[in-house]
Amino acid sequence: AQKVTQAQTEISVVEKEDVTLDCVYETRDTTYYLFWYKQPPSGELVFLIRRNSFDEQNEISGRYSWNFQKSTSSFNFTITASQVVDSAVYFCALSEAGGGNNRLAFGKGNQVVVIP
Amino acid sequence: GAGVSQSPSNKVTEKGKDVELRCDPISGHTALYWYRQSLGQGLEFLIYFQGNSAPDKSGLPSDRFSAERTGGSVSTLTIQRTQQEDSAVYLCASSLEGGRTSYEQYFGPGTRLTVT
Repeated sequence: AQKVTQAQTEISVVEKEDVTLDCVYETRDTTYYLFWYKQPPSGELVFLIRRNSFDEQNEISGRYSWNFQKSTSSFNFTITASQVVDSAVYFCALSEAGGGNNRLAFGKGNQVVVIP
Repeated sequence: GAGVSQSPSNKVTEKGKDVELRCDPISGHTALYWYRQSLGQGLEFLIYFQGNSAPDKSGLPSDRFSAERTGGSVSTLTIQRTQQEDSAVYLCASSLEGGRTSYEQYFGPGTRLTVT
């Protein structure tokens, strides 16, 4: 069974500080995909990144970066120099390729509050 | 291009009534998903449609829930004899279909259902 754990429920940071969101996953599948989504106060889930299990290369997109480590089953997300617009709930999700339906299993989310 | 659209955005209904929620996926996306987001349960998978294949209903919480997808495009989620525990935000998502490749899912704005 697929499972995603995001231990930190709410994280508050002062603007311009960095914030790292931890994501730990469990799966028996050897081929799987990991995702991060952002849910701002407006409520709509916004896709941020997708990574497959065979690609452990870290990725940077602007102020966002992701660190994928299969050895620790983690896919952590860092926001550098946070801004007020980064205030949102961030969800990590897992999809097993062998599951037959590519459904997303979500973590409980990290509420990030950026204080100006 | 147009994103995933859902209607209505809000629905208040009395316990015991039936409701229909509609989803219009992104054009060209053959995979369509319904999820439910509630405070207690987080984001839960409900049902998955892919092309003309039989839907995967493994996430539906009870037989009061059903869904259909007409013409491989628009989908309707129906909840019969609504209960208060059905109160949640119902999210629809669509994606390209890649068999054992999980493409990113794009979400609609959701329908907030309140059962009184």
